[in-house]
Amino acid sequence: GENVEQHPSTLSVQEGDSAVIKCTYSDSASNYFPWYKQELGKGPQLIIDIRSNVGEKKDQRIAVTLNKTAKHFSLHITETQPEDSAVYFCAASSTGNQFYFGTGTSLTVIP
Amino acid sequence: DTAVSQTPKYLVTQMGNDKSIKCEQNLGHDTMYWYKQDSKKFLKIMFSYNNKELIINETVPNRFSPKSPDKAHLNLHINSLELGDSAVYFCASSPSTYEQYFGPGTRLTVT
Repeated sequence: GENVEQHPSTLSVQEGDSAVIKCTYSDSASNYFPWYKQELGKGPQLIIDIRSNVGEKKDQRIAVTLNKTAKHFSLHITETQPEDSAVYFCAASSTGNQFYFGTGTSLTVIP
Repeated sequence: DTAVSQTPKYLVTQMGNDKSIKCEQNLGHDTMYWYKQDSKKFLKIMFSYNNKELIINETVPNRFSPKSPDKAHLNLHINSLELGDSAVYFCASSPSTYEQYFGPGTRLTVT
């Protein structure tokens, strides 16, 4: 089955700086890569996703890049704000209904 | 106008008891899921239903039984609760495949 690894497990940045979270996957059949943000006491919320026919996708301060050859994808958050503090999860799927999640990154943005 | 709702939010019970968690979505989605998030925040899929039909059943003890009375509801019944069942359980839904929308979670504590 698919194995998704996520790094780092914790990340602290100063407000205004950028944050980068990286994930690798093992199954070359995976073709959908979502990122979720989970705030304390809440469910994960989809913030951005990318499909295997695209190398990069951007939505305001958030961007995701995908390198299919190397089997890794990354989340980039620019101009971080305190409200970006949360746990972020990457995931991979080849079927669209079976998802394998990374182990999460706890991001802290220091004001 | 909550998209995916779960009840109860907290559930404290003793070992050996039977309990149920209810999930409802008003998004008109075809597919619903149950996930378990352990104390280390790891998210793992348990079940997935598409139009009331079970399509994913991960290696989950028989004590866990999902029931989908209609497309908008997916309930989780757990028999003979064990200490190791303590976790946060999330329901999610998606429009057939891919984008998932998670509920707020149910924190189950077994004493």
